[in-house]
Amino acid sequence: DTAVSQTPKYLVTQMGNDKSIKCEQNLGHDTMYWYKQDSKKFLKIMFSYNNKELIINETVPNRFSPKSPDKAHLNLHINSLELGDSAVYFCATTSSVPTYEQYFGPGTRLTVT
Amino acid sequence: AQSVAQPEDQVNVAEGNPLTVKCTYSVSGNPYLFWYVQYPNRGLQFLLKYITGDNLVKGSYGFEAEFNKSQTSFHLKKPSALVSDSALYFCAVRDHDMRFGAGTRLTVKP
Repeated sequence: DTAVSQTPKYLVTQMGNDKSIKCEQNLGHDTMYWYKQDSKKFLKIMFSYNNKELIINETVPNRFSPKSPDKAHLNLHINSLELGDSAVYFCATTSSVPTYEQYFGPGTRLTVT
Repeated sequence: AQSVAQPEDQVNVAEGNPLTVKCTYSVSGNPYLFWYVQYPNRGLQFLLKYITGDNLVKGSYGFEAEFNKSQTSFHLKKPSALVSDSALYFCAVRDHDMRFGAGTRLTVKP
């Protein structure tokens, strides 16, 4: 079984549309994250959720909103998509102390045209 | 704030030669340091970590890293590189979240 899965793998859409990316984990981890990887491969953390509570929100536009229906899922909703939103989005999870390492999903490549 | 730096965008080595991918860190307190690898069109995979204990930590795929407190470094090493090691490598430090370096692209040539 895949530990961290994301759907869809590819997403092509037009400017102004609203889209969602789903993430599911079967590791039983407490904390889940969304990262954005730009064309230069730089990783930027966007959000993290711990037990359904948002604990990090970096300087991300409010067009982006995480939704966590339960501990195993953290979805990313994006409203009014812009060209600059084109990137690869990764979901990740981490266990509690003392291991700390993160487990990443395969990524969703979003292309906004 | 805690941070890591990877001074090399690209590292090229010949297959069979030793490889080193450099990482330096800046932290207040004891560092929690990590290495991840990203293969094309894949998510990041955890390789190894330093939390405490021995300065030389061993990880997946024959990789190891040496924690050097005086030089604030955590370089990734492998004694004999394989073509299949070609990938993007990220150093990271754990604060209340994970802070990643900019990545180093390793190319191993046959």
